[in-house]
Amino acid sequence: ETGVTQSPTHLIKTRGQQVTLRCSSQSGHNTVSWYQQALGQGPQFIFQYYREEENGRGNFPPRFSGLQFPNYSSELNVNALELDDSALYLCASSLAGGGFSYGEQYFGPGTRLTVT
Amino acid sequence: AQKVTQAQTEISVVEKEDVTLDCVYETRDTTYYLFWYKQPPSGELVFLIRRNSFDEQNEISGRYSWNFQKSTSSFNFTITASQVVDSAVYFCALRSSNSNSGYALNFGKGTSLLVTP
Repeated sequence: ETGVTQSPTHLIKTRGQQVTLRCSSQSGHNTVSWYQQALGQGPQFIFQYYREEENGRGNFPPRFSGLQFPNYSSELNVNALELDDSALYLCASSLAGGGFSYGEQYFGPGTRLTVT
Repeated sequence: AQKVTQAQTEISVVEKEDVTLDCVYETRDTTYYLFWYKQPPSGELVFLIRRNSFDEQNEISGRYSWNFQKSTSSFNFTITASQVVDSAVYFCALRSSNSNSGYALNFGKGTSLLVTP
């Protein structure tokens, strides 16, 4: 069974640039969630994708967007990067069925984004 | 609104001591789920346990045990005979059963546990 993988591991961008982070779900999982974790804080929910559609969103501006692909992998895109976007971005996959998600979320190792 | 409070920011213990990490939650949902995750220095969140709101049985897994008290909205985590490898940040999280929230996990700010030899 393959776990959740994320790429890249680290990334340095300049304010105003755009970034794409990638996530591959754990085998058998069909739901992907993205979280932002600032230093010393708990993860904050960005959004979740189920069957290639956004299935819930946290308090993040529209410049945070995502995609889920037929193989359940996912991308997180952030436009117009700001210094406060510097954080660890975590992807989690889980299993949902019939609109009910009963499964635990399993996390990848994260992408450390630094905005200068 | 949902909220998770982990009042202990940092805890330091000596190996073999028992340690309890506190978690208090707030929710208006009648059905919800509580979780504990461990985050070692590598950064990856490791799932430890899920507890459903309708199941108030406490659980033990090896040196780990969890005490769910619905009356006080608490879900505390105890490590017995702590080891250096237990050093990590531990997060308590709450998830609604309401599909409108997208099944998001609401995390506390975490408790950093340091176990010294």
